[in-house]
Amino acid sequence: DSGVTQTPKHLITATGQRVTLRCSPRSGDLSVYWYQQSLDQGLQFLIQYYNGEERAKGNILERFSAQQFPDLHSELNLSSLELGDSALYFCASSVAMGGPGTQYFGPGTRLTVL
Amino acid sequence: AQSVTQLGSHVSVSEGALVLLRCNYSSSVPPYLFWYVQYPNQGLQLLLKYTTGATLVKGINGFEAEFKKSETSFHLTKPSAHMSDAAEYFCAVSLNAGGTSYGKLTFGQGTILTVHP
Repeated sequence: DSGVTQTPKHLITATGQRVTLRCSPRSGDLSVYWYQQSLDQGLQFLIQYYNGEERAKGNILERFSAQQFPDLHSELNLSSLELGDSALYFCASSVAMGGPGTQYFGPGTRLTVL
Repeated sequence: AQSVTQLGSHVSVSEGALVLLRCNYSSSVPPYLFWYVQYPNQGLQLLLKYTTGATLVKGINGFEAEFKKSETSFHLTKPSAHMSDAAEYFCAVSLNAGGTSYGKLTFGQGTILTVHP
């Protein structure tokens, strides 16, 4: 158990819909990262927040957005869903904003878009 | 920009045999290097990491990796495979840019390790 929690574990929805994925980082960790794992793209970095502020952006679609709240939990919002958005979405957390610190991964949310 | 190449999407070994998973990286600045393992239906777990200093890094479950700057490699090894090592392994890099880095990980495509009895 990494100490990072993600809800829900599974999500099945239809094209065009909007969903919210939630992540609670390990106690004391200020950084939250979101990654997408799909068969064709592999593991890709989406976005990072540190202590409530966006710090880095990767290959995140404009239909996707995220935020980190004062209690440090984070939410990833996916809208106008397409079939290709079906993937495993991981959240990871670390103590610092960057550097050599370990990122601890949650168990993931498996999104299926029908 | 940085990138990671894992040679071999599938590696199969016999129980007790040497495990060698290959990883080469490209980075414009000194890198931090990581190996993660993913068991079916689970998240990623850190096996080991290289930051600075000693180039031979020991991790959990008997795994180790050696950072070779001249070869831009960070291959993962284990002397004797166990059935429980069967999983998918990911090499990743983040940037060590003058002591500051936003820490995003760039992953290789992964290598599925199969261990035969």
